[in-house]
Amino acid sequence: DAGITQSPRYKITETGRQVTLMCHQTWSHSYMFWYRQDLGHGLRLIYYSAAADITDKGEVPDGYVVSRSKTENFPLTLESATRSQTSVYFCASSESGNEYGYTFGSGTRLTVV
Amino acid sequence: GENVEQHPSTLSVQEGDSAVIKCTYSDSASNYFPWYKQELGKGPQLIIDIRSNVGEKKDQRIAVTLNKTAKHFSLHITETQPEDSAVYFCAAPGTGFQKLVFGTGTRLLVSP
Repeated sequence: DAGITQSPRYKITETGRQVTLMCHQTWSHSYMFWYRQDLGHGLRLIYYSAAADITDKGEVPDGYVVSRSKTENFPLTLESATRSQTSVYFCASSESGNEYGYTFGSGTRLTVV
Repeated sequence: GENVEQHPSTLSVQEGDSAVIKCTYSDSASNYFPWYKQELGKGPQLIIDIRSNVGEKKDQRIAVTLNKTAKHFSLHITETQPEDSAVYFCAAPGTGFQKLVFGTGTRLLVSP
């Protein structure tokens, strides 16, 4: 199916564990983004990517790692999960030349216990 | 960098009333202002946007106005319906790479 998909939808993990959230888009959009959504903070940018192998930090990157070896995939890894990383994570993509026309995935709700 | 403030955080209206959500931004160079609607359990979805060369844009029951001098823009929903109940986010461009900076969101509740 065409679109942007995130997996898993829900995840519970323990403090200190490594966890990877997956994001896959079928449009070959150049730009991809990871945001976290927390009450009172709205959507905050964690990392973004302009193309394969080009990534950069956003507003709240600490504790997260990303990679983009293929245009369609943009996984987000929490190297050692902390309770403060409990959040809803959204992946988004946009095509080059379509300024800011983001399409968001359905999100991953992550709970760190 | 860009800072976006959004008000109110919650808004309750009766069906058929109008709803207005306001946002302010800090970077006078910003030139694109989208609004996203997030329904329960879903990701945000773009519903309308405006560029800095126009002052108002309408799409059926929704409209966005922009005041560049005051650096604020607003979402107007007329004849609200229960299905308009959602969280609405405004946004403005961040620095570089097609980044968006989002407001903190407004939870709109439309009561029948």
